[in-house]
Amino acid sequence: GQQVMQIPQYQHVQEGEDFTTYCNSSTTLSNIQWYKQRPGGHPVFLIQLVKSGEVKKQKRLTFQFGEAKKNSSLHITATQTTDVGTYFCMGGGNEKLTFGTGTRLTIIP
Amino acid sequence: SQTIHQWPATLVQPVGSPLSLECTVEGTSNPNLYWYRQAAGRGLQLLFYSVGIGQISSEVPQNLSASRPQDRQFILSSKKLLLSDSGFYLCAWSAGTNYGYTFGSGTRLTVV
Repeated sequence: GQQVMQIPQYQHVQEGEDFTTYCNSSTTLSNIQWYKQRPGGHPVFLIQLVKSGEVKKQKRLTFQFGEAKKNSSLHITATQTTDVGTYFCMGGGNEKLTFGTGTRLTIIP
Repeated sequence: SQTIHQWPATLVQPVGSPLSLECTVEGTSNPNLYWYRQAAGRGLQLLFYSVGIGQISSEVPQNLSASRPQDRQFILSSKKLLLSDSGFYLCAWSAGTNYGYTFGSGTRLTVV
């Protein structure tokens, strides 16, 4: 079945440093979504990518969908303490999507 | 606007007791509905999803069941809870797989 892996599992960065998490699928994805879950909270939808090679930006966040539509990345420039949380990708195309394993980001002030 | 309600927020139940968690969505029709479970510090495991009333797909064999008695109501149940059922249960809805999921605030279940 479809598997979506994320790396790294954990990332500790100094405030102001950049952060990147990568999402890799064993199969071609029709789309990919990214979510953020704050500690103790629930996942919140950030963005969806659909097209091969698509790049979207939200302020300091840059999302990219690979040319083969099997991988994606989320890059945060100049992290802030408000970026703390776990970032999940989710991909698929049928009635259900498969969540990635998540990357937990902690910020050292 | 669409809203999703999930309750209760926390629950402590003894082993062997029944469970019923309810999720309702407002402001949309015929949503796709989902139940996920998240163990502490772990990823999200899809338990059940539904694309319509009475249509339930199970992803993981276990002692849990789900029902969708109304278009915007999704219920997660168990007849006898196990210790391993402890976790963070999240309900979600989407307009389809080309749309983002909106999650409820979750229920933290502790089975003792």
